[in-house]
Amino acid sequence: DTAVSQTPKYLVTQMGNDKSIKCEQNLGHDTMYWYKQDSKKFLKIMFSYNNKELIINETVPNRFSPKSPDKAHLNLHINSLELGDSAVYFCASSQGQWAQYFGPGTRLTVL
Amino acid sequence: GNSVTQMEGPVTLSEEAFLTINCTYTATGYPSLFWYVQYPGEGLQLLLKATKADDKGSNKGFEATYRKETTSFHLEKGSVQVSDSAVYFCALSDPFLGNTPLVFGKGTRLSVIA
Repeated sequence: DTAVSQTPKYLVTQMGNDKSIKCEQNLGHDTMYWYKQDSKKFLKIMFSYNNKELIINETVPNRFSPKSPDKAHLNLHINSLELGDSAVYFCASSQGQWAQYFGPGTRLTVL
Repeated sequence: GNSVTQMEGPVTLSEEAFLTINCTYTATGYPSLFWYVQYPGEGLQLLLKATKADDKGSNKGFEATYRKETTSFHLEKGSVQVSDSAVYFCALSDPFLGNTPLVFGKGTRLSVIA
């Protein structure tokens, strides 16, 4: 069974649209994350949730809004998409401070 | 703040060559250290980890030793294969800051040719 899953795997959309990416983990972890990987492969944290509570919110535009309906899910909603939002978005989870497990990524292309 | 610096790529090696990818870190506390691997078109996979000084992480023939005195966590493999071609990321987390996200290096692309 997949430990951390994301949908969709690919997302192609027009500028100005609103889109969501979903993430689910079946590891029983208490912390979930969203990372952004740019075209140069650089990975940067966007958000972190612990037991459904937001604990880290890096400097990202407020067009990005994470939502955690329960411990196993962390979704990312993006409003008014811009060209610069094109990237691969990775969800991850961990139990406490131990190793994080990553989803397969969602490649977002904004046209 | 915490940071990770790893050697610039790309690195191109012939099959069965010895691999070293350098990684050094800066941290305020006593971080846990990780190597992740990203195969083409896939997500990140944990390759190995070490949580305290002198610990050696190992997996699939790869090794890295947590060196506090040199603040390093270099990745090594004695004999690389074509299937090792991927991007390798060194990362740290600081357990004293609670559930912190990983701080990544910029990644090193490895290409192994037959």
